[in-house]
Amino acid sequence: QKEVEQDPGPLSVPEGAIVSLNCTYSNSAFQYFMWYRQYSRKGPELLMYTYSSGNKEDGRFTAQVDKSSKYISLFIRDSQPSDSATYLCAMSAPGGYQKVTFGTGTKLQVIP
Amino acid sequence: DAGVTQSPTHLIKTRGQHVTLRCSPISGHKSVSWYQQVLGQGPQFIFQYYEKEERGRGNFPDRFSARQFPNYSSELNVNALLLGDSALYLCASSDLGDTAFFGQGTRLTVV
Repeated sequence: QKEVEQDPGPLSVPEGAIVSLNCTYSNSAFQYFMWYRQYSRKGPELLMYTYSSGNKEDGRFTAQVDKSSKYISLFIRDSQPSDSATYLCAMSAPGGYQKVTFGTGTKLQVIP
Repeated sequence: DAGVTQSPTHLIKTRGQHVTLRCSPISGHKSVSWYQQVLGQGPQFIFQYYEKEERGRGNFPDRFSARQFPNYSSELNVNALLLGDSALYLCASSDLGDTAFFGQGTRLTVV
């Protein structure tokens, strides 16, 4: 079993839709939760960063962490064609040993 | 401020050859990590260096090695290249926190 599970998609939605992306994980030591956006053949770009449980909002993006269920989500409101990319969930445990564990990524296409 | 810079952006190598990839972290960041991303997968952790010392290693063979220099830049070396080493190699830098900022990567093709 992988430490982080993420549905690879692809996920196609019409422009303006609300997008929900999700990951589950098995390692209880994870305390830091990130979402990265990756365009084709580019490096991952940090979108959201959350410590422990709770919600965080930044513009059209909302990240949620439920540590009791080991489940994290990213919501994108009013999706745009420019949001078409692969979205990677990522997480790490505290400490100086900074290993980030990624999901496989969900490919999102927003159709105009 | 410049972000994480990696060089070269692309390269093609033959099986059995050696390759060196380079990374310059964000100014002020002392931690550099290396990841391998195979097509269709998430990045996999290879190494982390902090203050020029190896602080973590992923499940990769000894053909992979790295080092960090006094200016905090880093090199990733891969010996005896295999076809399966073809991937996007990503460098990430961070400060004392646990948020990693990635470069654009080096796309390595082994033929």
